[in-house]
Amino acid sequence: SQKIEQNSEALNIQEGKTATLTCNYTNYSPAYLQWYRQDPGRGPVFLLLIRENEKEKRKERLKVTFDTTLKQSLFHITASQPADSATYLCAWGPKYIFGTGTRLKVLA
Amino acid sequence: GAVVSQHPSWVICKSGTSVKIECRSLDFQATTMFWYRQFPKQSLMLMATSNEGSKATYEQGVEKDKFLINHASLTLSTLTVTSAHPEDSSFYICSARDLWGGETGELFFGEGSRLTVL
Repeated sequence: SQKIEQNSEALNIQEGKTATLTCNYTNYSPAYLQWYRQDPGRGPVFLLLIRENEKEKRKERLKVTFDTTLKQSLFHITASQPADSATYLCAWGPKYIFGTGTRLKVLA
Repeated sequence: GAVVSQHPSWVICKSGTSVKIECRSLDFQATTMFWYRQFPKQSLMLMATSNEGSKATYEQGVEKDKFLINHASLTLSTLTVTSAHPEDSSFYICSARDLWGGETGELFFGEGSRLTVL
């Protein structure tokens, strides 16, 4: 069965630094990968989508890359802020299978 | 943005009773809704994909007779946990995809329903 793994369960970084989160998948390459943010006790909120034929996507301070050879997507938050602290999830499309999530904490 | 309303947000019930959770897309139509279960500090586990007007597709290991899903209209899907037991206690989240949505195919999530079975 398809597995989506996010290597770091938790990541602490200093404010202003770039946070890099990893999403790895097994077996089949997805048509696209999505990234979501989830705050405690809330439903996830969509951030970005990257398709298999795209290498990089940007939105404000967010950047996503997709390497089908490595079967990996990287999610970057530049100039991180304490408000960016949340759990970040990647999702394998179109089946919408979610990864294990990475809890990011940005320290002031 | 699109809004998905999930109700109730929390429910406490006795073991053996059934609980129904509703998921509504308020300002868009959704042919497909997804039901997830989430344990504390864990990721979302896809339980089933709900298609309007047809039977839900359940993921491996999810008992379809225990978790009844009905998607009667383009804006409403319900999950009924039948004969609930304490091990069914969890956070249940629904999501929907806009029928006429753009290229991102993003999912819009409800706020979740926390079920506690005593």
